[in-house]
Formats: sequence, C-alpha cells, structure tokens
Amino acid sequence: EVQLVESGGGLVQPGGSLRLSCAASGFTFSDHYMDWVRQAPGKGLEWVGRIRNKANSYTTEYAASVKGRFTISRDDSENSLSLQMNSLKSEDAAVYYCTRVGVKRLPDYWGQGTLVTVSS
Amino acid sequence: DIQMTQSPSTLSASVGDRVTITCRASQSISSWLAWYQQKPGKAPKLLIYKASTLESGVPSRFSGSGSGTEFTLTISSLQPDDFATYYCQQYDLYPLTFGGGTKVEIK
Repeated sequence: EVQLVESGGGLVQPGGSLRLSCAASGFTFSDHYMDWVRQAPGKGLEWVGRIRNKANSYTTEYAASVKGRFTISRDDSENSLSLQMNSLKSEDAAVYYCTRVGVKRLPDYWGQGTLVTVSS
Repeated sequence: DIQMTQSPSTLSASVGDRVTITCRASQSISSWLAWYQQKPGKAPKLLIYKASTLESGVPSRFSGSGSGTEFTLTISSLQPDDFATYYCQQYDLYPLTFGGGTKVEIK
C-alpha cells in the first residue's frame, strides 16, 4: 500500500524558515518523480514543485511564487522527500501535501498534509 | 502560465441528478487534463486522467471528455458520497495548474 506521511509543519514567523519532510513507503520511491502541492485555508490547490528521479538527474521545477525561496530535495536511500522553505511569507500559509507522480505523469497518491502557519 | 477556469464554482444538486462541471484552459493542453475529488479535511483523490481515462477503482458514473481547451466532468447519477469539491488540473506544461474548484452541494 502506498503511504506518504508528511511532517515538520508548524508556526513560523514571516521571513523565517521551515523544512518539511515526507516519508514514503509501499512503492519503489527511487523510480518516481515527486511533487509538493499546497492549499491555503479555504482556498484551492496550488502546485509548488517537482523533483525528478535519479535517471533524470534529480532536476527540479518550481512555481513562480516559490522559486528562489523553496528547495525540493530527496534521499532515495531513506525513501524521503523534503521541502526547504526560506523567507516565508503570510501567503505561504497552507496545508502542504507530498504527492507521488505516477506513470500517468501526474500526482496519483497524496499524503494527509502538514499545516504551515506563517504569523508573527 | 496556463490558466484553468472551472465553472460553476458552486453547484447545488440532488441525489440522482446528472451533474456536469466544465474546465477551460487558456491554451491547448491536448488531453493532459486530470480531475480530482476532495472532501473536507482530506487529500484530493484522482478520478480521471488524460481527460477521459477513469482511475482504477473510481465508479463508472464518473466520466470525462474534451480535448484542447474545453473539458467536462460528468457524474451520471449523483450519489451521497459525491458531495465534495472537484478540481481540474493541466499537466501539459510547467507550472502545473489547477482550476479554482467546483463545490457540489446538496440541494
């Protein structure tokens, strides 16, 4: 069974940093691209970014709203995905979902999400 | 960026109704469109990909159609479990983008 479990959310001040993690199990993590998607309270879904697999040199893509501030990384030996968030703004407050990108080229499994609150 | 516009934003319907949700892309995305269902407090669930292919395990009352810039999600006979918010997503070009969502409410 595919499982994605996010952790690391919490309260952070504007301008601060936070690192989210996602523990993956139930599939061959190293084969898959992985995405982060977020959802501000009461709002719609926003794609944050993607990291490709080793075969594609672990290259990344980001939404314009987070490019230069957020960094996606992965540790295939630990089946782990991370999202380093710097220079956080109030508009970054959201539930952040870790998602697996399947052979269909899109997120097919989602974690339960972790809440990030940005407030002074 | 490709803009995805869903309509309506809210839909009131009764059990047994046929429901149609529309999604328009600001430029052609071929058939690279997915539909997700999200219930309050839960992660989205993939329903349909490549515009019309039903994800495994999804009831056959859900169907998708369209290509290019115009797409629809149809629920042939609305069931109590279907009251939720539905999102379209294009995955043709980066950044991937979602529609604003359609909330299906009980009439």
